[in-house]
Amino acid sequence: QQQVKQSPQSLIVQKGGISIINCAYENTAFDYFPWYQQFPGKGPALLIAIRPDVSEKKEGRFTISFNKSAKQFSLHIMDSQPGDSATYFCAASIRHRGSTLGRLYFGRGTQLTVWP
Amino acid sequence: DTEVTQTPKHLVMGMTNKKSLKCEQHMGHRAMYWYKQKAKKPPELMFVYSYEKLSINESVPSRFSPECPNSSLLNLHLHALQPEDSALYLCASSQPGGSTGELFFGEGSRLTVL
Repeated sequence: QQQVKQSPQSLIVQKGGISIINCAYENTAFDYFPWYQQFPGKGPALLIAIRPDVSEKKEGRFTISFNKSAKQFSLHIMDSQPGDSATYFCAASIRHRGSTLGRLYFGRGTQLTVWP
Repeated sequence: DTEVTQTPKHLVMGMTNKKSLKCEQHMGHRAMYWYKQKAKKPPELMFVYSYEKLSINESVPSRFSPECPNSSLLNLHLHALQPEDSALYLCASSQPGGSTGELFFGEGSRLTVL
């Protein structure tokens, strides 16, 4: 069972446009929602993250919107640039009871292409 | 530059070979992870070490054998692999007790099994 559902699978945006990637989850015990960016041939890198007690977080051109009641969150990339072309993974994590470790569940990924 | 270093970057091996993947981090993190990633798929968790002890094994076949010699190093020993094991193997680290989803990934080792 997929813990985090991500859409769309691929996205093509013109330079300067807004890229929007959506994710949904079911488990209300998730306590941290990161987004990872992965370029071809590289490992994923943490881009931005949010906790469920916050409805929005902005870092530069990247914004996470979080809707706790709907169990949905999304990534908005403003003024999209060709250098943003990458695969984006949303994720959700949960801390194991009695442990300092958590478990991270990834969405299936969105391949973003920004045309110049 | 990533602070998690993986070697080798590329590895080609036959099904009867024995090889190892290595990972090193100097961020003082006490949790280290091995993930497997197939093309156009998300990373899949294989193993987690916390304070040099194996904490999670996601029912990975015994032909993959992890080892954590110290808090900075993580190895993945490979033996008698199958062609379907060809993938990008990612090492990651985090600080236990920190944000549970904040992982620092290396660039990966691209493994091809012939």
